[in-house]
Amino acid sequence: GENVEQHPSTLSVQEGDSAVIKCTYSDSASNYFPWYKQELGKRPQLIIDIRSNVGEKKDQRIAVTLNKTAKHFSLHITETQPEDSAVYFCAARNLGRLYFGRGTQLTVWP
Amino acid sequence: GAGVSQSPSNKVTEKGKDVELRCDPISGHTALYWYRQRLGQGLEFLIYFQGNSAPDKSGLPSDRFSAERTGESVSTLTIQRTQQEDSAVYLCASSSGTGPYEQYFGPGTRLTVT
Repeated sequence: GENVEQHPSTLSVQEGDSAVIKCTYSDSASNYFPWYKQELGKRPQLIIDIRSNVGEKKDQRIAVTLNKTAKHFSLHITETQPEDSAVYFCAARNLGRLYFGRGTQLTVWP
Repeated sequence: GAGVSQSPSNKVTEKGKDVELRCDPISGHTALYWYRQRLGQGLEFLIYFQGNSAPDKSGLPSDRFSAERTGESVSTLTIQRTQQEDSAVYLCASSSGTGPYEQYFGPGTRLTVT
């Protein structure tokens, strides 16, 4: 099956700085790559996603890039705010299901 | 419309008892997924349904765990003879199955085995 690796496991940034989280996947057949944000005690919420026929997607302060050749994708958050603090999970879709990374705890200091 | 709902929201049970957790997917979503999330940990895949068949049940931890789904509607996850290590939040998600692929999560059931 698919294997998704996510780095770093923790990330601390100053408010206003950028944050980047990187994921790699193993199976070139994976075709959809969502990112979820999970605040403490809440359910994971989809924040952005990208399909395998697209290289980059942006939505206000967040963007995702995909490099199919290298089999990696990244989440970029610009102008971070304290409310961006949460755990972020990447995932890859393969054979009908999502394979999740282990998560990145992002802390944004005011 | 309504999102994914789960019940109960919290369940405390004694070790050795059986529990049933319920998930109501978004109407029209043919795919349904169960995950387990231990405190401070990631999302552990358990099983997924396409309609009422389960193409992938590879994540079920033991034969104490089972799940079923009625048509393209409600699913129940049953844990028999619960153990303390079963304590976790059990999350359900649904998606359209055939695309778009977005999965939407329910609020989860927090299971505590004493």
